[in-house]
Formats: sequence, C-alpha cells, structure tokens
Amino acid sequence: DAGITQSPRYKITETGRQVTLMCHQTWSHSYMFWYRQDLGHGLRLIYYSAAADITDKGEVPDGYVVSRSKTENFPLTLESATRSQTSVYFCASSERSGSSYNEQFFGPGTRLTVL
Amino acid sequence: AQTVTQSQPEMSVQEAETVTLSCTYDTSESNYYLFWYKQPPSRQMILVIRQEAYKQQNATENRFSVNFQKAAKSFSLKISDSQLGDTAMYFCAFMKRNNAGNMLTFGGGTRLMVKP
Repeated sequence: DAGITQSPRYKITETGRQVTLMCHQTWSHSYMFWYRQDLGHGLRLIYYSAAADITDKGEVPDGYVVSRSKTENFPLTLESATRSQTSVYFCASSERSGSSYNEQFFGPGTRLTVL
Repeated sequence: AQTVTQSQPEMSVQEAETVTLSCTYDTSESNYYLFWYKQPPSRQMILVIRQEAYKQQNATENRFSVNFQKAAKSFSLKISDSQLGDTAMYFCAFMKRNNAGNMLTFGGGTRLMVKP
C-alpha cells in the first residue's frame, strides 16, 4: 500500500507485556514521528527520527523505545505496558526539514488498550 | 517550549451557519507555522489550513479561513456554510520553522457537532 500504514489497528494487551506498534511509509521520507492521543491532550510527541539510526525524544518518551534500521520503518515498543499507556498512537512522516515547510502525513492510528 | 490552548472543548452549529473555533499559543519563536487539523470519526488526521507566521494575510481554503493575530498569539478558525461532514475534532497545532525537524505541538482539541 502506498503512503503510511500502521499495524495493528487495534491491540489489547495486559500490564507488563511487551508490545510493538509498527509504522511503514513508502515515500522515503527522512523524518518519522510517533504521537499519542489522549482525551484533553491532543496529540503529544513521543519520539521522532531524522533518518535511519537517528532518533530523539519528544515530550513524553518514558516507557517507550524506538528504532529505525530502515528509512521506511519506525517501530514503537512498549517494553512493559502500563494502563497509563492506553491510548491511540499515530505515526507520521515528512520530508527532510529545511527553510521551507514540509507537511507531516499521518497514519490511520493504532488503538492500544492495556488491561 | 511551545504551548497551544484550545479553550472550547465542545461546540455545535446549525448546518449552513458559521462557527469560529479559538486557539491561542505561547512561543518565543518569531518564525513558525500554525495549522488546523480535522479528525473525523475515522481518526484520520486531515490538514485543513496552514498559516505562515511571517505572512500578514490570513489563510483561506474554500469555506475555511483563519484570523491570525500574531501579537495576541491567537489563531482562530472560521468555518462558513457548515456542513454535516464538518462534524469532527479540530486541533490547532504549532510548528517551529527551522532545520531541527518538523515537530508539531497540538492543542487539546475542540469537538464540533454540525446539526441538521
């Protein structure tokens, strides 16, 4: 599929389990982002990546791990899921930033429930 | 750090009427972008309109327009001739204009209901 995809779309897990959310984009965009969406908070940045093997923390990184071995993939791992990580997770990508604007394109989101 | 505030958690409007959604932000940056995103029940994030801070002219996209007041750090969205399909969550967002990445800072959202 062309564009940006996320899998799974829905996930239910238990406290303490490891969960990995996948994100794949076909545009070869340099930048990729992970956001979480909670009621009343809008979307908050968890981690972002400027290129393969380059990642950095966003606003709410605690409890999450990311990697980017290939430009097109940016998985997000919850090493030991907690109930507070129940949320909708969005992946996004954009061209390399510079002096001009580059739009972020969002995936369809993954709804994660931690019991 | 930037903050974005949307003070109206929910709003409603009659079909064909006009509604304005409010957004204020706080930043020390002089060069930045502001956005309004629409999120319908499908959860897909859809870019509605974009404003570049250095441009004095307010952006317009068909029925959607903004009132950008840079000194007041205010960025409201006006939807004219509201349609049932405009029912959605609307998020105001801020982006610094530099080479350090296109990170977006979002407000908490306004849920808009268009009534027939």
